[in-house]
Amino acid sequence: DAKTTQPTSMDCAEGRAANLPCNHSTISGNEYVYWYRQIHSQGPQYIIHGLKNNETNEMASLIITEDRKSSTLILPHATLRDTAVYYCIVRGYNAGNMLTFGGGTRLMVKP
Amino acid sequence: DVKVTQSSRYLVKRTGEKVFLECVQDMDHENMFWYRQDPGLGLRLIYFSYDVKMKEKGDIPEGYSVSREKKERFSLILESASTNQTSMYLCASSFVGGQGAGYTFGSGTRLTVV
Repeated sequence: DAKTTQPTSMDCAEGRAANLPCNHSTISGNEYVYWYRQIHSQGPQYIIHGLKNNETNEMASLIITEDRKSSTLILPHATLRDTAVYYCIVRGYNAGNMLTFGGGTRLMVKP
Repeated sequence: DVKVTQSSRYLVKRTGEKVFLECVQDMDHENMFWYRQDPGLGLRLIYFSYDVKMKEKGDIPEGYSVSREKKERFSLILESASTNQTSMYLCASSFVGGQGAGYTFGSGTRLTVV
């Protein structure tokens, strides 16, 4: 699986959009970009995933660059409950491909 | 609501005890996983199973074993608990290939070995 690089931490004001970047320059053609988050003392929670098109669901939007070497997770109106560690993971869709969690980005949403 | 349920939220065990951590999923997922999470080390894969009675070692299997007798249940066993196994243990499940949402995680079991 391709390695990802994320900033260690970020702050965001409550009500504003939180934009979390992720670099995955060695991504291969069949690998998807997944985003998970982990709120303190809970298990990781799936947010969104995509291959090459931008994706949106009720939680967030995922913007993937045309060359697929980076992506941005957007939380459009961050709330205090969005404070968490956000993990960007690149993974193939084949059986046996494990999720490998890196350090993630610690997002602090402030009042 | 689909879910992965871990039997205990908090456990305290003594050194040398045999410890069972249970995980049940109700999504008919083929794959099940056990991770441990420690500060500064992130999530590390202990064991996984892609079918009943099948198991594969992850990155840190030493000191652990697993059992999967039924599709919905995956147990992690600490044969003789040691203090360095004090950690947060997370169970997850997925379809083969991880279609869709990928993994679904349980809430975790925080194990303290004294």
